[in-house]
Amino acid sequence: DSGVTQTPKHLITATGQRVTLRCSPRSGDLSVYWYQQSLDQGLQFLIQYYNGEERAKGNILERFSAQQFPDLHSELNLSSLELGDSALYFCASSSTRNEQFFGPGTRLTVL
Amino acid sequence: SQKIEQNSEALNIQEGKTATLTCNYTNYSPAYLQWYRQDPGRGPVFLLLIRENEKEKRKERLKVTFDTTLKQSLFHITASQPADSATYLCALPTDSWGKLQFGAGTQVVVTP
Repeated sequence: DSGVTQTPKHLITATGQRVTLRCSPRSGDLSVYWYQQSLDQGLQFLIQYYNGEERAKGNILERFSAQQFPDLHSELNLSSLELGDSALYFCASSSTRNEQFFGPGTRLTVL
Repeated sequence: SQKIEQNSEALNIQEGKTATLTCNYTNYSPAYLQWYRQDPGRGPVFLLLIRENEKEKRKERLKVTFDTTLKQSLFHITASQPADSATYLCALPTDSWGKLQFGAGTQVVVTP
């Protein structure tokens, strides 16, 4: 158990809909990272927050947004969903700029 | 652009043998390199970090080498066990804030 929690575990929704994925980092970790993993793409970095502020952005679509709250939990919002957004979404946290601790992931299926 | 290459073919190995995985990178000058293990449908798990001034690092049956001249890291699992079957990912930092780029991973299958 990494200490990072993600909810929900599974999400099934329709195209065009909007969903919110939630992540609680390990106690004391200020950095939160979001990744997308689909079968043909591998693990792709989306966005990083540090103590409530956005620190780095990857190839995150404009339809996706995220935030980190004062209690350090983070949410990833995905809107106008398309079939191609179906993937595993992982959150990771770290206290240093070194190893990251990953949550169990949210499996999103868009029908 | 920055690129990380790992063997895309699965590595099939007999229990007790040593598995060796390769991570090659281009257009990077990383201060460190990390290795993670990922089981199907689960989040990656951090295994080892090796810094640019370290040639080799060990943790139990795992050994990592880092050659900044060749731009390559080798990951070894000695005395492999069926429980070592998983996908192994190497990752490099792309900024000073810890943002990582991951390789596609190499699947290891250890048969009894």
